[in-house]
Amino acid sequence: QKEVEQNSGPLSVPEGAIASLNCTYSDRGSQSFFWYRQYSGKSPELIMFIYSNGDKEDGRFTAQLNKASQYVSLLIRDSQPSDSATYLCAGPTGYSTLTFGKGTMLLVSP
Amino acid sequence: DVKVTQSSRYLVKRTGEKVFLECVQDMDHENMFWYRQDPGLGLRLIYFSYDVKMKEKGDIPEGYSVSREKKERFSLILESASTNQTSMYLCASSRRTGGNQPQHFGDGTRLSIL
Repeated sequence: QKEVEQNSGPLSVPEGAIASLNCTYSDRGSQSFFWYRQYSGKSPELIMFIYSNGDKEDGRFTAQLNKASQYVSLLIRDSQPSDSATYLCAGPTGYSTLTFGKGTMLLVSP
Repeated sequence: DVKVTQSSRYLVKRTGEKVFLECVQDMDHENMFWYRQDPGLGLRLIYFSYDVKMKEKGDIPEGYSVSREKKERFSLILESASTNQTSMYLCASSRRTGGNQPQHFGDGTRLSIL
């Protein structure tokens, strides 16, 4: 069973700080990972994906993949209260299917 | 932008009823998925389909069936609804080519079985 693990949080950061969200996975062969943001009562929204080792930046978001250590992280720079949400990490279980972590709740205080 | 549309945001049904949840996507995606999401349990895959009339069981298919008669439409059927099927149901779609592709979600259907 391929698994993706996340700390449930909440992770609390002050406005303007860097939020660091982490995810570990069990399958060494996994090549691609996805980060979703989910506001309370809403559906998951794709915010980042990463297919190779290293960093990928998009605006205030940076995804990092470390295959040797089997972890994926999401950094959010200049955190805003509107970033308060649950962040889901997802990795592949098959050719088309994904397994999702249970999510980390992020709270950004003004 | 990908648009995945679920037919209802909220639905209330009675135990024993046959319930249909509909999902339509407008991006010509080959793959479509049905998940349920419950507090503390996360997202769990019920069924997915990679082509018209094709379906694969996910992690929790018991009590559910699916139908995919057209590429853009994927239906989830609760054959005889039970209270333990009260949940948030999420439909998603993705491309099939090029390995794992991101899945795009609809707004979800919050289903209550009384």
